[in-house]
Amino acid sequence: DGGITQSPKYLFRKEGQNVTLSCEQNLNHDAMYWYRQDPGQGLRLIYYSQIVNDFQKGDIAEGYSVSREKKESFPLTVTSAQKNPTAFYLCASSIGGAGPGREAYNEQFFGPGTRLTVL
Amino acid sequence: AQSVTQLDSQVPVFEEAPVELRCNYSSSVSVYLFWYVQYPNQGLQLLLKYLSGSTLVKGINGFEAEFNKSQTSFHLRKPSVHISDTAEYFCAVKHQGGKLIFGQGTELSVKP
Repeated sequence: DGGITQSPKYLFRKEGQNVTLSCEQNLNHDAMYWYRQDPGQGLRLIYYSQIVNDFQKGDIAEGYSVSREKKESFPLTVTSAQKNPTAFYLCASSIGGAGPGREAYNEQFFGPGTRLTVL
Repeated sequence: AQSVTQLDSQVPVFEEAPVELRCNYSSSVSVYLFWYVQYPNQGLQLLLKYLSGSTLVKGINGFEAEFNKSQTSFHLRKPSVHISDTAEYFCAVKHQGGKLIFGQGTELSVKP
């Protein structure tokens, strides 16, 4: 089955620790995204990547880092610099992010999410 | 700048009643619009999308939406809801750079 997997489903972190959230897709999509979801605030974009070895900051990148060494994988690290990391994190992918003729392919497919709680 | 406004944060409705979830957008370029549904503690699932063509778009689970360019709206409708439709619904517009801009979500609560 093709899809997006995120692990772990639940993650607990002590203050001051870095943690890495996994996101893997086997849809052969070029673009991948990380969102943060807080109650009543919708989804806010943290980072996105339109191609391997390249990524851009989203609206709330401070305190987060990413890498895109493989097409299938886009891990997100929540660093100790993130002041309020408790949230639900969603990973998504799409066929192509931007470029002529690719507008129709901006449908994003989402993973099941990781709920991060800081103790 | 593009933005999306979902006019209702919560919509309570009785089972088998019709429902409309409202979404307005602002965009100065060609518009591509999406509605997603999120069940508790899960990811988002695409309900329907408008890319071009007919302004009435049909999606999964009996939902449909109408693109209205003059009113810059993309309201989601269902003629008869079920308990299982209880979820959060998100409207989104494609940004010029390829990203999606999401509204803040509408919680649909279907009561027996």
